[in-house]
Amino acid sequence: KAGVTQTPRYLIKTRGQQVTLSCSPISGHRSVSWYQQTPGQGLQFLFEYFSETQRNKGNFPGRFSGRQFSNSRSEMNVSTLELGDSALYLCASSLRGRSGGEQYFGPGTRLTVT
Amino acid sequence: DQQVKQNSPSLSVQEGRISILNCDYTNSMFDYFLWYKKYPAEGPTFLISISSIKDKNEDGRFTVFLNKSAKHLSLHIVPSQPGDSAVYFCAALDAGNNRKLIWGLGTSLAVNP
Repeated sequence: KAGVTQTPRYLIKTRGQQVTLSCSPISGHRSVSWYQQTPGQGLQFLFEYFSETQRNKGNFPGRFSGRQFSNSRSEMNVSTLELGDSALYLCASSLRGRSGGEQYFGPGTRLTVT
Repeated sequence: DQQVKQNSPSLSVQEGRISILNCDYTNSMFDYFLWYKKYPAEGPTFLISISSIKDKNEDGRFTVFLNKSAKHLSLHIVPSQPGDSAVYFCAALDAGNNRKLIWGLGTSLAVNP
């Protein structure tokens, strides 16, 4: 079974721009969660989608948004980029959506904002 | 405020010896705990988990111990191998918050040959 895939793997943007990241979960998984990882903050939860509905949301500003499609693929959008948005963005899929545990992670998208 | 704390940012161990990674938590509503391993430039990989109704779970060289009264869990790796060098994250499921997964900041383990 193919794992979680994320595109693009690397991205360089300038302040003020917007960016869209994509995640394809493992086939059959209906839950997709997004995380931001920075060296000082560890893994910070952004949001979780299950069957096209946002189920959980972390403490991030409204510039961070997401959506999930009927095929469970998910996109994350960040508008008006700031330097502090530079991070590794990880997507994880789960079979048992509500549990949130035993998630399978993609390789991440490394976003650099200049 | 960190609800899941991994107080040692790094740990160095000799090959063949035991590695012990510690994790403390503050929320009594956490009912399931997981350990993930992460190599550079890769996403975290699920390693082992434990339910709050148990105090020990073993899988090969990896054992997780849970002390509910102390709100403490630990991951033991025996024997440690150089390929175990990675960042280890402790995470907990919050039964009181829609089962949101709460993460620690990670411990970087270096196993020296």
